[in-house]
Order: sequence, then structure tokens, then C-alpha cells
Amino acid sequence: AQKITQTQPGMFVQEKEAVTLDCTYDTSDPSYGLFWYKQPSSGEMIFLIYQGSYDQQNATEGRYSLNFQKARKSANLVISASQLGDSAMYFCAMREGSSYKLIFGSGTRLLVRP
Amino acid sequence: EAEVAQSPRYKITEKSQAVAFWCDPISGHATLYWYRQILGQGPELLVQFQDESVVDDSQLPKDRFSAERLKGVDSTLKIQPAELGDSAMYLCASSETSGNTGELFFGEGSRLTVL
Repeated sequence: AQKITQTQPGMFVQEKEAVTLDCTYDTSDPSYGLFWYKQPSSGEMIFLIYQGSYDQQNATEGRYSLNFQKARKSANLVISASQLGDSAMYFCAMREGSSYKLIFGSGTRLLVRP
Repeated sequence: EAEVAQSPRYKITEKSQAVAFWCDPISGHATLYWYRQILGQGPELLVQFQDESVVDDSQLPKDRFSAERLKGVDSTLKIQPAELGDSAMYLCASSETSGNTGELFFGEGSRLTVL
């Protein structure tokens, strides 16, 4: 079974508007962490935001926020006020228990239109 | 700003040849990872080191791939012989053993093309 599922292969958003990238996860471990990374065409993976399974509040980092719905096992990334530089691949990833390795989803390609 | 260094950035080789990638993690990071990312897919873990010891190499094709981190600092990933299906981006990452989030810091990757 897929541990991380990203159902949107590609998304378009108009510049300055908000966009939500979907991510669902599957784990039976009560302790886990959820990450979002951005990968521009250059290839480097850039960390955006983190949510721990025991965190009471949704994580926010500047224009990025994570809509964490634990019961539904979803961890959607919300990007507010999209910029042209946000055009990239976005990956959701999970860390389970005491392991530090990340399991990645298949990614969503976001294109911001001017 | 400290970063993960990888080389080469690009490598083109013919099948059956040997190829090697090098990674230097952020200073002080005990955990090092090699991921493979096939075009259009998410990264998949090949091997994870804790200092010089292998923690997880369950997805490493051991008949042709090898990885080492002899002194617990930099690491080398080798493929011999290379096959057409090995064409991919090879990403190195490092993390602190302890820490708040266990965030992985990635290098720019080594893009391999096997002809």
C-alpha cells in the first residue's frame, strides 16, 4: 500500500491566488512527521514545512501552511499569494516513529500563470 | 550557509560501465541518505548511514550498487555495471541524529544518463 499519496499530477494557479496541494498518508504508528519539499527544475529538494503528529496546531511558514486533518490522514499544503517562482514540483513526505528516513509521494507539478 | 555537496552534477555513461557519485554532508550531521529519483517520480531511499554504519539498505540493488561512508563523513555511491534503467537523479541528504523535526537537507543531486 502507498504510504504517501498525491493525487494531483499537475496543478495550475493564477499568480497572487492561493492553491492547495493534496496529500494523504497511511501509517499505524502514532508518532510520525509530515514534510513538504519543493523541487525546482534545478533538482534540489527545498524543505518548506513540517507537521508532527502530536502537534495541536497546523504548521505555518510564511506563505506556506499545512492543513493537517489527522482523522482523515491528510496533510494538504496551502500556498497563499502564489508567485511565479512557486512553479515547481512539490513532494509530500512522511517519517514514521524513530526512523529518520523520509518516504515520498509521487509529487505534484505546480505551474503559476502570470 | 552550510550545504550538502555532491559531485558530479551530471554524468553520461554507457551501459556496463562503472560510475561513482560523491557526497559531503553538512558538518556534524551523523545521518546520511542516498535517494534515487526516476524522472516524474518521488525520491526513493537506496541507503541510510548512521555515522559509518548502514542503517537501511533494503532497497539497494546490491548486485550492482554499493555505498560506503568509511570515516562517517563523506560517502560514495557506486554502480557497476550501469544499466539503462539506472538513468535517474541521485540525491544525497543529511540530517542531525537528534533534533526537532529530523529535517533532511538535500544536495543538488547527480543526474545520471546511461546510454
